[in-house]
Amino acid sequence: NAGVTQTPKFRILKIGQSMTLQCTQDMNHNYMYWYRQDPGMGLKLIYYSVGAGITDKGEVPNGYNVSRSTTEDFPLRLELAAPSQTSVYFCASSYSPFTEAFFGQGTRLTVV
Amino acid sequence: EDQVTQSPEALRLQEGESSSLNCSYTVSGLRGLFWYRQDPGKGPEFLFTLYSAGEEKEKERLKATLTKKESFLHITAPKPEDSATYLCAVQAYGQFYFGTGTSLTVIP
Repeated sequence: NAGVTQTPKFRILKIGQSMTLQCTQDMNHNYMYWYRQDPGMGLKLIYYSVGAGITDKGEVPNGYNVSRSTTEDFPLRLELAAPSQTSVYFCASSYSPFTEAFFGQGTRLTVV
Repeated sequence: EDQVTQSPEALRLQEGESSSLNCSYTVSGLRGLFWYRQDPGKGPEFLFTLYSAGEEKEKERLKATLTKKESFLHITAPKPEDSATYLCAVQAYGQFYFGTGTSLTVIP
C-alpha cells in the first residue's frame, strides 16, 4: 500500500519557468490537499479538493493552479515560478474533512 | 484571527526525562485536534485525533489530552528515537490549521 506518492522529490526552477508537481493516492480518499511548509511558518493550505472535478482555494493560492480529473490524482501547477515559491510542498489525502490526513514525502522546490 | 500556537518551539530532554508539549488554539468550531510527528525530510505522520474536551489517547510513550482551548502531548521516559518535530493541527470549517511545531531532541 503506497499511500500518497509525490513526484519529483527535488527540483530547481529558474524564475519564470513552470512545472507540475504530481500527487497520487491509492486509498480511494475523496479529500486531497496541497500544503507548503516554510521554516518557522507551519503548513499552509494552498488548494484542496473534495472530490473529482471539485477544487477550492486555501489560504495561499496565488501563483498556483490545480485540477482533479480522477479520485487518485491531484496535480499542482506552478506558472511563472518566483523565488517566493521556494518551499517544501506536501500533498495529503483524507477519508473525510474530520479524519486524519495522510501525507506524501514532499517535494523540495527551489526557484533561482 | 484563528490561530494554533505550539510551545515550546524546541525542547531538549535527556533520555528518560518526561515532559509535555503544548498546543493552544483560538479556532472556533473545532471538529477535531490532530497530532503528527515529522522526521527531517519526511512528511508528517499521524499520531492521534482528539474530538472532545476530556478525551485522552495513548500510544507507547505518548499520551495526548484535550481541554476546551488546548491540548498536551505528554512524553513519558523518552528515547532518542522519539526525536522529531511534533505538529498540532485543528480541524474546523472543513480545513486543517497547523501550528509551527515543537522540535524535540532526546539526548542519550
